[in-house]
Amino acid sequence: DTVLTQSPGTLSLSPGESATLSCRASQSVNSGYLAWYQQNPGQAPRLLIYGATSRATGIPDRFSGSGSGTDFTLTINRLEPEDFAVYYCQQYGNSPITFGQGTRLEIK
Amino acid sequence: EVQLVESGGGLVKPGGSLRLSCAASGFTSSTYGMNWVRQAPGKGLEWVSSISSSSYIYYADSVKGRFAISRDNAKNSLYLQMNSLGAEDTAVYYCARITLKGYMDVWGKGTTVTVSS
Repeated sequence: DTVLTQSPGTLSLSPGESATLSCRASQSVNSGYLAWYQQNPGQAPRLLIYGATSRATGIPDRFSGSGSGTDFTLTINRLEPEDFAVYYCQQYGNSPITFGQGTRLEIK
Repeated sequence: EVQLVESGGGLVKPGGSLRLSCAASGFTSSTYGMNWVRQAPGKGLEWVSSISSSSYIYYADSVKGRFAISRDNAKNSLYLQMNSLGAEDTAVYYCARITLKGYMDVWGKGTTVTVSS
């Protein structure tokens, strides 16, 4: 199975700052098939990024994804209060699909 | 509006069974692959099972032989039959739509399964 390791586990920042979240895969993710999801407490995950770099419908351009192979990054510019949540990466290029353990973005 | 609504969760004793349902609206679910994903309390997301638009079926090793995914196209619904439940199956269970490229773009709100005596 492809293990996804997210870092850091927790990121403490202030509104207006930028966040950089990392997702490293134990083997190359085929075709860059990597997605990022945001989850708020008590809510379902919401798709942010797919194909490593493409924003989902309705996602602000403050959110951007980059990377390929085994190293992927989610960048969130100009943090808004509603951005403080847990973020998961997920690969769907190798079977079985797998998720990272999550990064918690908290208000400093 | 495209929507998924799960139901069927509840409290069940170890060794018991439960059947989850996921009703789709706003789209024809038979033309999409569908996933079940679960989240244990305070933990991350775990893929459980998939059914493709062609009805190919896949399971995580942790549930293989105990869970069965199925769909009823006439009812635009997805199901997860869960047998031989253990405490490790306690989680919120989400159904999610799989796009043609393989990522999950629509998620339900989830249904909670608690396995306890």
